[in-house]
Amino acid sequence: NAGVTQTPKFRVLKTGQSMTLLCAQDMNHEYMYWYRQDPGMGLRLIHYSVGEGTTAKGEVPDGYNVSRLKKQNFLLGLESAAPSQTSVYFCASTRDTAGGYTFGSGTRLTVV
Amino acid sequence: DQQVKQNSPSLSVQEGRISILNCDYTNSMFDYFLWYKKYPAEGPTFLISISSIKDKNEDGRFTVFLNKSAKHLSLHIVPSQPGDSAVYFCAASSLETSGSRLTFGEGTQLTVNP
Repeated sequence: NAGVTQTPKFRVLKTGQSMTLLCAQDMNHEYMYWYRQDPGMGLRLIHYSVGEGTTAKGEVPDGYNVSRLKKQNFLLGLESAAPSQTSVYFCASTRDTAGGYTFGSGTRLTVV
Repeated sequence: DQQVKQNSPSLSVQEGRISILNCDYTNSMFDYFLWYKKYPAEGPTFLISISSIKDKNEDGRFTVFLNKSAKHLSLHIVPSQPGDSAVYFCAASSLETSGSRLTFGEGTQLTVNP
């Protein structure tokens, strides 16, 4: 039982490059989320999805796009990476709020 | 605007003593509150939660207190153990909000000294 799996775990990008972060969950959860964690700022919501085929903007969506073509996968894309997107990215999923989120182990992204 | 705030970036306590982590919120629509624990290089893990219809919830060594009038909650860990050393995040949600979205505080680094 893997829970929430994020790939890759580490990545270094040059400014202007693009990449996709993959999140996969095997718990049949409806809701999935992408957060970024920055020092002194906690976790901020980028985008989220309430079900297959649906996505919505969170608190800090600019510069990111997402897709949820399959229920178990939630992809986060950076079309043109900027140094301000250097961060640790966490994916999470849940069946409902009462159960809390299950988080992946994170992707550390550095944009130079 | 920071709707969930943890004013103490760090806290250091002795093993066996009580750890008290604090959290304040400003959004009166929040009605569900959670605490997460995070070790380095790992994702946060769910610790304990409380609904706004309660003022206290216990789970073993962990107790969360909610003061709705003050918009304040706290996490008590008794007795504290070295393995409790981690970053603790407070989070809040409105059960009426679409998507079960959580708003997180900045986190507090707890260090429990042997």
